[in-house]
Amino acid sequence: EDQVTQSPEALRLQEGESSSLNCSYTVSGLRGLFWYRQDPGKGPEFLFTLYSAGEEKEKERLKATLTKKESFLHITAPKPEDSATYLCAGGANAGGTSYGKLTFGQGTILTVHP
Amino acid sequence: NAGVTQTPKFQVLKTGQSMTLQCAQDMNHEYMSWYRQDPGMGLRLIHYSVGAGITDQGEVPNGYNVSRSTTEDFPLRLLSAAPSQTSVYFCASSLYPGYEQFFGPGTRLTVL
Repeated sequence: EDQVTQSPEALRLQEGESSSLNCSYTVSGLRGLFWYRQDPGKGPEFLFTLYSAGEEKEKERLKATLTKKESFLHITAPKPEDSATYLCAGGANAGGTSYGKLTFGQGTILTVHP
Repeated sequence: NAGVTQTPKFQVLKTGQSMTLQCAQDMNHEYMSWYRQDPGMGLRLIHYSVGAGITDQGEVPNGYNVSRSTTEDFPLRLLSAAPSQTSVYFCASSLYPGYEQFFGPGTRLTVL
């Protein structure tokens, strides 16, 4: 069974204090590993897709990396506006038994204090 | 592009009532899906569709029906609402199965 686990469940940072969020995955026939940001009362907003181990993607203060078993979302010098829930998901290949479904982790609630 | 749109944003139902949650996308995506999001449970897949006329069950399909008569629309039907269906519902779409999905703003449903 496909599984995605995120840690920690919640993370409190001071503004400017860099840190990382972890996403461990077991997805049969992984096509891509996705990161999303979700603000309260809104739908998840797509951030990154990572396709293969060693790949990195960056957007402003966020950098996502991928290994064969884990993905990390590094947050450099965060600001209060980075506060949100960050979700990762593994997407299976369309030809596999999971037929292209995404398996989501529970999310990490990030709070950045000024 | 409007992306993925959902209506209504909020809905209150009584037990046993029926309703349809609407979802539409204007990106010509093949794949569409419905999730529910509950505290501590994360996003769980209800039903999905890989194209017009093709639907299948996800992780938690009981109590819900779907159909896909056009590429753009993917409504979710609750035939007889139960309190256990109180949740936030998200519709999402992707170009193809397994690709990054784009989410709508959600419908917050309360069943009394």
